[in-house]
Amino acid sequence: QSVLTQPPSVSGAPGQRVTISCTGSSSNIGAGYHVHWYQQLPGTAPKLLIYGNNNRPSGVPDRFSGSKSGTSASLAITGLQAEDEADYYCQSYDSSLSGRVFGTGTKVTVL
Amino acid sequence: QVQLVQSGAEVKKPGASVKVSCKAPGYTFTDYYMHWVRQAPGQGLEWMGWINPNSGDTKYAQKFQGRVTMTRDTSINTSYMDLSSLRSDDTAVYYCAREMGIIEVAAYDAFDIWGQGTMVTVSS
Repeated sequence: QSVLTQPPSVSGAPGQRVTISCTGSSSNIGAGYHVHWYQQLPGTAPKLLIYGNNNRPSGVPDRFSGSKSGTSASLAITGLQAEDEADYYCQSYDSSLSGRVFGTGTKVTVL
Repeated sequence: QVQLVQSGAEVKKPGASVKVSCKAPGYTFTDYYMHWVRQAPGQGLEWMGWINPNSGDTKYAQKFQGRVTMTRDTSINTSYMDLSSLRSDDTAVYYCAREMGIIEVAAYDAFDIWGQGTMVTVSS
């Protein structure tokens, strides 16, 4: 059972903006540990999308952005495109578990 | 090119062990932590632990302690994940993933490079 909670699914029409929440607690996100986001296309390995709360690796479009506040973080996708249809996971460190933790995952559907 | 190349799919019987390898060409192997993550069919990502390829130090998730062993061979830039006493619910894709910050300054950094995954099926 994951300690980071995400909505199971979000959807939007092409061009719209969608957000994915990642809710943690005082032992992970609320303790100040960084949040990272990954995109997983069907049948492929996860790909780093956002690191250190709000930084994009080279090659990731600026349509993707991350933010963090309190015990939660969010991933926003603006100008939604068909190719964004994938599963998205947040990840952080949890001091109570002394280990890395992933979110429950969110499936993004482009209508 | 920085990449991680994993060994091929495995089919094991309950109670057996499996050893998955992860070769790391293209960068200084001993400079970065290597993590292992698994994903059961239709499920989310689950962190298993890490190894410091330089020192050999390891840290395992509580769930896997006593059953998992992570090792490395610096002469061939390869990490290994050995899981014993396999059960049907260990059926999953197992990934190795590099932590992006170099060991000396790493601070719970993201996983920037992932292997292609190794499917492990546990079935009688």
